[in-house]
Amino acid sequence: DAGITQSPRHKVTETGTPVTLRCHQTENHRYMYWYRQDPGHGLRLIHYSYGVKDTDKGEVSDGYSVSRSKTEDFLLTLESATSSQTSVYFCAISVGTSGRLATQYFGPGTRLTVL
Amino acid sequence: QKEVEQNSGPLSVPEGAIASLNCTYSDRGSQSFFWYRQYSGKSPELIMFIYSNGDKEDGRFTAQLNKASQYVSLLIRDSQPSDSATYLCAVVNAGGTSYGKLTFGQGTILTVHP
Repeated sequence: DAGITQSPRHKVTETGTPVTLRCHQTENHRYMYWYRQDPGHGLRLIHYSYGVKDTDKGEVSDGYSVSRSKTEDFLLTLESATSSQTSVYFCAISVGTSGRLATQYFGPGTRLTVL
Repeated sequence: QKEVEQNSGPLSVPEGAIASLNCTYSDRGSQSFFWYRQYSGKSPELIMFIYSNGDKEDGRFTAQLNKASQYVSLLIRDSQPSDSATYLCAVVNAGGTSYGKLTFGQGTILTVHP
C-alpha cells in the first residue's frame, strides 16, 4: 500500500456531464500519473504530473484535463463525459524517474460508466 | 507497431509447471523493465524490476533481460492456482524529459489449473 486513495470508487454518469476523479497520496511523492484500462489495451497514460502545477499529456489525453494544486492531490476531469470514456481509471505514483525509483505504485482504481 | 508487445495468450499451464511470459519492446532507449501482476478487479502490483542484462531471481519468479534483442521475460516456477492473473510488462525510458512514464504491454492472461 503506497498510501494512495481514489474517489469515487464507482460512478455512473450520463453523457455530457462533467466528472472529476480524485487521487490522493499521503507520502509527498513528486510524480503522479492517471491511466485508463480497457480490455485488450492494457494501461494507457492519460496525463501525468511532475510537481505542483506541473502537468503534461499522455498518449490518450483528448477529452481529459488534470490539475494538481497540492502535492497530495491529482484531479482528473472529464469535461463532458462520453460513452467511450467508460473505463477503469487508475492513479499511480513514483518516487523518481529512473531505475528502481521509477517503479509505479497504483491506487485501487475507479470504475466509471457513462450512459 | 506497438511499443511494448506481450505474447497474446491466454496462457494455460498445469499446477507445478513453469509459466513463461514474454515481452518485446521497440525503444532502444528503454532502461528499466517491470513486471506487474493484476488480479481481476484489482490494481496492478509490482512483481519484478530488472535493468541489467541477464537473469534476476526472486523466489519462484525469474526475470530475464536481453537488451540486444529488446526482449524481457518472466518465468514462474512451480506455478500455483494463485498465480492465475493478468501479467503486465512495462518499460521506462529514463532519458531526458521522460518523467518516468511507463509504457505497458497489453497484458497476458495466465491460468494455472490444478
